[in-house]
Amino acid sequence: AQSVTQLDSQVPVFEEAPVELRCNYSSSVSVYLFWYVQYPNQGLQLLLKYLSGSTLVKGINGFEAEFNKSQTSFHLRKPSVHISDTAEYFCAVRYNQGGKLIFGQGTELSVKP
Amino acid sequence: GAGVSQSPRYKVAKRGQDVALRCDPISGHVSLFWYQQALGQGPEFLTYFQNEAQLDKSGLPSDRFFAERPEGSVSTLKIQRTQQEDSAVYLCASSSPYPGGSYEQYFGPGTRLTVT
Repeated sequence: AQSVTQLDSQVPVFEEAPVELRCNYSSSVSVYLFWYVQYPNQGLQLLLKYLSGSTLVKGINGFEAEFNKSQTSFHLRKPSVHISDTAEYFCAVRYNQGGKLIFGQGTELSVKP
Repeated sequence: GAGVSQSPRYKVAKRGQDVALRCDPISGHVSLFWYQQALGQGPEFLTYFQNEAQLDKSGLPSDRFFAERPEGSVSTLKIQRTQQEDSAVYLCASSSPYPGGSYEQYFGPGTRLTVT
């Protein structure tokens, strides 16, 4: 079955520290990968996406992610977090063009001063 | 419009009532998706339209759930005889194959449904 696993439900981190949010997906021939952020009582905002090409993808707000086909992973990283990065982060995969997204359970990032 | 809009933003229904949730996609977007997000969970796919055609409704949890998009623009998700387990945030997203075939999905703010 097609699935996405986010390995950490909560990640507490101090301000200006680096962070990595982990995501693994069930293998397929071709995948399109996404990270979304959700602030309280808001919809989902796209952080970055991998469609093809370079495996290192840069997104908004200083986030980046690396697509690793052999590990079936798409981990999200930021070298220095801010208080304003506190939010829920969702990894998602799409297995065909224009199709539905399959989401992970989410990782709550909590940045403390 | 500038983004995907949904109404109402909040809905409280008594168990057994029918509800209708509206989604206005980004103008010109061909595809429209509905997702259900239970508390503390990731969104789960409900159904998908391309223009007015409902191409995938495999995620609808029961026959009490019905979605339509009669003119290929605004969509309505209807839930009949609501149950407590229907309490969730219902997210709508729209997408377009342009630019560059990305098919990026743009999400609305959601409708929070509480069934009492």
